[in-house]
Amino acid sequence: EPEVTQTPSHQVTQMGQEVILRCVPISNHLYFYWYRQILGQKVEFLVSFYNNEISEKSEIFDDQFSVERPDGSNFTLKIRSTKLEDSAMYFCASRLDLNTGELFFGEGSRLTVL
Amino acid sequence: GESVGLHLPTLSVQEGDNSIINCAYSNSASDYFIWYKQESGKGPQFIIDIRSNMDKRQGQRVTVLLNKTVKHLSLQIAATQPGDSAVYFCAENNNAGNMLTFGGGTRLMVKP
Repeated sequence: EPEVTQTPSHQVTQMGQEVILRCVPISNHLYFYWYRQILGQKVEFLVSFYNNEISEKSEIFDDQFSVERPDGSNFTLKIRSTKLEDSAMYFCASRLDLNTGELFFGEGSRLTVL
Repeated sequence: GESVGLHLPTLSVQEGDNSIINCAYSNSASDYFIWYKQESGKGPQFIIDIRSNMDKRQGQRVTVLLNKTVKHLSLQIAATQPGDSAVYFCAENNNAGNMLTFGGGTRLMVKP
């Protein structure tokens, strides 16, 4: 069964460092998302991406965040200068199209900022 | 702001009993709702969805009910099993269908 894969599963970084989280969405999907989940809290929307551009983003997704799909396969989330409060699980998701509602989520990347 | 939220943070049921998890939403423009299950250390897993032109949808052992009048969504799990223990999130689709907004989650604990 096709699945969304994410790397790394866990990354520990120092505050102020840049982090790149990688995702390989399901191959024929057209919509891509990043969500985050702070420990014990709900899943929060960060950004959606379609047709090689951001289609929606939340207040959380400030100038420190960026996304790109450099090679038609990987979908990356970059945090330029990490803060302690960026520590969370980051989930990538993809969706075939807007008529097929289901988002398929990856297993997540745990980011720990020290 | 508009939000999706849950009434009960933790639900404990006996194995074999039926479970009902509730969710309230406030965005009347939402037209699509999904229930996700999240096991510890894993990503959300799709359970069942429902569009706003329906009030009930059944899957395997699960039923989703939608009451648009009071903006209420529920997930019913029949014959709950230990493997059903997880956190359950409702989510609503808004803004032209491009973004899912998640509720706060309910932890379901199944006692053997």
